[in-house]
Amino acid sequence: DIQMTQSPSSLSASVGDRVTITCRASQGIRDDLAWYQQTPGKAPKRLIYAASSLERGVPSRFSGSGSGTEFTLTISSLQPEDFAVYYCLQHNTYPLTFGGGTKVEIK
Amino acid sequence: QVHLVESGGGVVQPGKSLRLSCAASGFTVSSYAMHWVRQVPGKGLEWVALLSYVADQADYADPVKGRFVVSRDRSTNTFFLQMDNLRVDDSAVYYCARAQSAYAGVDYWGQGTLVAVSS
Repeated sequence: DIQMTQSPSSLSASVGDRVTITCRASQGIRDDLAWYQQTPGKAPKRLIYAASSLERGVPSRFSGSGSGTEFTLTISSLQPEDFAVYYCLQHNTYPLTFGGGTKVEIK
Repeated sequence: QVHLVESGGGVVQPGKSLRLSCAASGFTVSSYAMHWVRQVPGKGLEWVALLSYVADQADYADPVKGRFVVSRDRSTNTFFLQMDNLRVDDSAVYYCARAQSAYAGVDYWGQGTLVAVSS
């Protein structure tokens, strides 16, 4: 199975901060990676697909980059509604595997 | 507009069975890959099963292989997860989710249904 190592597991940040979350795959997955945002009690929502493509309707402060084994999700200027848990998902090889999640909290 | 609504969750004893349903609207389940993903409250996401539109190919995570079966009903546009021989560690919120194909990422999720396996 492909292991997805996501870091950090949690972070505290202020409104307006730049935030970067990383996912590392245990083997190359091309750009077969998506990023999701989950708020309490809700289903995940896709932000980024194909590693760097912004989902329609998602604010442009979100961006994704990377290919192969190293991927990042960046929030350029954190907004109050961005405090949530973020997950990466590799869909290159079955079983599909998620990163462990990053909880973004208010400082 | 794509909409997925899960139902069928509840409290069940170990060793018993449960069938989850996912009613889809805004698209045809037989034309997409459909997944079940689960999440223990407060924990991370775990992929459970796939039903592809290509020859109805199914795939399962190792912890559920031989116990869970996915299927779909084209007439009602519903996706199912039959869960047999349930274990305590199957307790979770179960989400159904859609993808453009088996090797595309999930694009839409339902709101989830809670399964609690307890004696």
